[in-house]
Amino acid sequence: AQRVTQPEKLLSVFKGAPVELKCNYSYSGSPELFWYVQYSRQRLQLLLRHISRESIKGFTADLNKGETSFHLKKPFAQEEDSAMYYCALLNNAGNMLTFGGGTRLMVKP
Amino acid sequence: DAGVTQSPTHLIKTRGQQVTLRCSPKSGHDTVSWYQQALGQGPQFIFQYYEEEERQRGNFPDRFSGHQFPNYSSELNVNALLLGDSALYLCASSLGSDRGRRGYTFGSGTRLTVV
Repeated sequence: AQRVTQPEKLLSVFKGAPVELKCNYSYSGSPELFWYVQYSRQRLQLLLRHISRESIKGFTADLNKGETSFHLKKPFAQEEDSAMYYCALLNNAGNMLTFGGGTRLMVKP
Repeated sequence: DAGVTQSPTHLIKTRGQQVTLRCSPKSGHDTVSWYQQALGQGPQFIFQYYEEEERQRGNFPDRFSGHQFPNYSSELNVNALLLGDSALYLCASSLGSDRGRRGYTFGSGTRLTVV
């Protein structure tokens, strides 16, 4: 079975502060992990993929297989980063994406 | 490109009734996945359709069934509705050949309320 856990329902920070949204996973295969984001009144959209090792909107995420984690980080939060963030795990067959419960990020001015 | 389109946007049904939700994938995508999102929770995987067959199924009862058409569009059917089926139903499309590794494209969902 595969499982994704996001321990924080809500994370509130001030503009310019560092942000770390936590994600832990459980999977017996080789994990492929993603972060999806949902801005207010918009649909869920892909933010980044661990296999591409890219930085999107200043966000990065590193897969740590030893700690089974894929935390999302940004050094300086912006107000426009306020949104719902979901961590997701794709199974090896590529036919099932499992989501965590989500973390709401609020960036205060 | 309209992306993933879902219909209807909102629906109210009575317990015991049946409902059909529809999804058209993003242009160029051939795989459709369905998710149920209850209030305050992350999306829960229902099933995925590729080449008109159900390829993977999540932990949902047989009351939930689906179909994919030759044009890649898909339907989600739920029979014998329960109050607990009230949720936002999301459709996501992807390209089968990349096995989801490039990410899924989501629709805006159908809000189902069972009374």
